This record gives sequence, structure tokens and C-alpha cells, in this order.
Amino acid sequence: EAGVAQSPRYKIIEKRQSVAFWCNPISGHATLYWYQQILGQGPKLLIQFQNNGVVDDSQLPKDRFSAERLKGVDSTLKIQPAKLEDSAVYLCASSLDPSPNTEAFFGQGTRLTVV
Amino acid sequence: AQSVTQLDSQVPVFEEAPVELRCNYSSSVSVYLFWYVQYPNQGLQLLLKYLSGSTLVKGINGFEAEFNKSQTSFHLRKPSVHISDTAEYFCAVSGRNAGGTSYGKLTFGQGTILTVHP
Repeated sequence: EAGVAQSPRYKIIEKRQSVAFWCNPISGHATLYWYQQILGQGPKLLIQFQNNGVVDDSQLPKDRFSAERLKGVDSTLKIQPAKLEDSAVYLCASSLDPSPNTEAFFGQGTRLTVV
Repeated sequence: AQSVTQLDSQVPVFEEAPVELRCNYSSSVSVYLFWYVQYPNQGLQLLLKYLSGSTLVKGINGFEAEFNKSQTSFHLRKPSVHISDTAEYFCAVSGRNAGGTSYGKLTFGQGTILTVHP
């Protein structure tokens, strides 16, 4: 079974530029999560989708971050404009459903460096 | 609100020694508890989880954890570690919040770096 695919693996941009990350979840997984992992910290949920609807985006900085999952499969996370403090690893995860009985599988992440 | 505190940021041990990684949580609702492992430049992999029932949970790679409700703890243990166990370990909690939403969302601790020396 193919895992959660993310691209790019690494990205370096200057502050105030824009950037986009892509996630392809495991086939059939209805629930998709984006987490931000700042160096030295645990991952923090940015947004949770159930199919193509947003379940939780309470910690998404909506003035600069946006995410979509138009067809309920792939998802993109965008930052515009980027700030230095956005430097982090962005992890995508997916699961069959949001039940804690169901394991969430994580991708390898995209490491963003803002200079 | 839920929170997780991992009491040790780094734990160095020698190969074949036992290890315990400590985790305390706080939550106002029923909780589900997890331990994840992250190898360098990799995503997170589930080690084990507690949902209900027996408070001693066994996971992959010989790890186990014990849920202690009175002490709000979920410490991870392994009786004999191997060099390949060197990684960062995250404790996490999920559950319904007071409003009944955020079902499935994981709240993570800060992580514990386990380094196994030969």
C-alpha cells in the first residue's frame, strides 16, 4: 500500500514570498490533516479535512495560510506571504475516518526554510 | 483544552539497558493516548495507543506503555533498548473537546530524543 506522498521535500524561500505544498493521501482515506512542526517542538494541527470539508482550522493563521481539498483527495497548503517564523516541517497525515480507533498515517513532510 | 507534557527533552542510555520516557497529559474530556516515533527526516510512525480497557498497552518494537488515570500519565517503556531505537518519541492525546468537535485531532508533546549508545 502506498503511503502519504508529499512534495516538495525541501523548499527555501525569502520572506514575503509565497509557497505551496502538496499532499496525496492514502487511497480511500477520507480524513486529511496538515500539521506544522517547528524545530524542537511537537507537531501542531493546522487544519483537518473530512472529504472536501473543513472540520477544524482553529489554529490556521488565516491571514497568510490557506488550504484546500477540492475533490476530497489531494490537498494543497499555501503560505502567502511567508514570514521567518513559518520555517518548519509541514506534515500531512491521512486516515480512513477521524475515529481514534483508526490510525493516522504521516507523510515524510516538507521542510520549509524562510530566509 | 488538552495538553501533553513530556518531562525529558533528551534521554541517553546504553544499549541493552531499560528505558522509560515520561508523558503527562491534561484533558477535561475522555482521552485517547498515543506514542509516535520519528526517525531523522521521516514522518511519524505509531508505536502504540490506549483507547480503553487494559491500562498496559503493548506496541511495536518491544515497547509498552501504562495508562495511569489518577496520575494522568502514559509513560513509555522498553526493557532492553537497541541502537536502532535512537529516534525522537512523541506522546499525543486526542478526544472530543467540550464542544464535541475536533474528533481525531492529535495534540502532541514536545518530544523526547532517545539516544542509545553502544
